Amino acid sequence: DVKVTQSSRYLVKRTGEKVFLECVQDMDHENMFWYRQDPGLGLRLIYFSYDVKMKEKGDIPEGYSVSREKKERFSLILESASTNQTSMYLCASSLGTGTGELFFGEGSRLTVL
Amino acid sequence: SQKIEQNSEALNIQEGKTATLTCNYTNYSPAYLQWYRQDPGRGPVFLLLIRENEKEKRKERLKVTFDTTLKQSLFHITASQPADSATYLCALAFNQAGTALIFGKGTTLSVSS
Repeated sequence: DVKVTQSSRYLVKRTGEKVFLECVQDMDHENMFWYRQDPGLGLRLIYFSYDVKMKEKGDIPEGYSVSREKKERFSLILESASTNQTSMYLCASSLGTGTGELFFGEGSRLTVL
Repeated sequence: SQKIEQNSEALNIQEGKTATLTCNYTNYSPAYLQWYRQDPGRGPVFLLLIRENEKEKRKERLKVTFDTTLKQSLFHITASQPADSATYLCALAFNQAGTALIFGKGTTLSVSS
């Protein structure tokens, strides 16, 4: 069964802390994505990557960075967490070619106090 | 900028009826459009994809239409059941490679027995 695994389902961090959200996929997909989901705002794309060490900004990259050192792993980094980054974070992956059907992880709910 | 809108946040129907959800987009000419289902606390799951040259696509009780003139897709669930209660999201690719998706905010469907 194909899988996208996010390392933490729930995290609570303090303002100013550095936060790492990890995502691993076992489908040998080229593309990986980070979205955040907030009530009333829907899913918004933060960053995506179409190859190892490559990254592209999405709609809301400010305050975030990403790392893709290996094909199967895509990390989202909050350099200095703020309360407005409290959200549900969803990782997804897709094949490099074709129609881009996304496979999502279960999500990481981050609370920044 | 590209916009993708789902016209209602919530839709309540009775079991056995047909649910119809609407997705409209502007400032874009996508080659295809996708629909996802999301249950509370879970990541979205891919349901159907329809290409620009397809008027209609079916999968079991699901039917999707795509009108590129109206810039609209309709998603129908026939003979709806309480188990169909979920949030349904439409999505389209905004990058040239067709791999990075933006999502509508979703319509939450509630089917009562």
